[in-house]
Amino acid sequence: EDQVTQSPEALRLQEGESSSLNCSYTVSGLRGLFWYRQDPGKGPEFLFTLYSAGEEKEKERLKATLTKKESFLHITAPKPEDSATYLCAVQGEGSQGNLIFGKGTKLSVKP
Amino acid sequence: GAVVSQHPSRVICKSGTSVKIECRSLDFQATTMFWYRQFPKQSLMLMATSNEGSKATYEQGVEKDKFLINHASLTLSTLTVTSAHPEDSSFYICSASEGSRNQPQHFGDGTRLSIL
Repeated sequence: EDQVTQSPEALRLQEGESSSLNCSYTVSGLRGLFWYRQDPGKGPEFLFTLYSAGEEKEKERLKATLTKKESFLHITAPKPEDSATYLCAVQGEGSQGNLIFGKGTKLSVKP
Repeated sequence: GAVVSQHPSRVICKSGTSVKIECRSLDFQATTMFWYRQFPKQSLMLMATSNEGSKATYEQGVEKDKFLINHASLTLSTLTVTSAHPEDSSFYICSASEGSRNQPQHFGDGTRLSIL
């Protein structure tokens, strides 16, 4: 069964304090691993897709990496506006295109 | 970029009412759309896969007679919660992707359904 586990559940950082979020996954044939940002009361906003181990993607203060078992979302010098819930999802070869989501990491960045 | 619009954003209604939620892909065509439900502090859980021109595929445990899905065109899917009860109160979100299956899905802003 495809499964996604994210840690930590919640993370509090001071502005400028870099850290990483973890996404561990098990999937039968990975088609893609996706990172999303979700603000309260909103739908997930797409950040990155990673397709194969060793791949990395960057966008502003965020960098996503992928191994065969997990993905990390690195946040460098975060700002208060980076506060949100970050969701990780996988798409397996047996799916119809749907995503399996983790529960997310709620990030709070204090000024 | 790909935009998915979902309407309404919030519904409050009495028990027994049927509620229709619309999901539109604004600048691309989507042969497949997905409906998810999200409870507080929980993952998004797939309810059903909506296929244009054919019947939706429902996940185990999701009642197809209660959650009616219609995907009448390449840009519109609707979810109707029939005879809603308080336990149906949740955050419902749709998504769609353009192109091949491993392309990112783009999500609507969700519908907060509250049944009194």
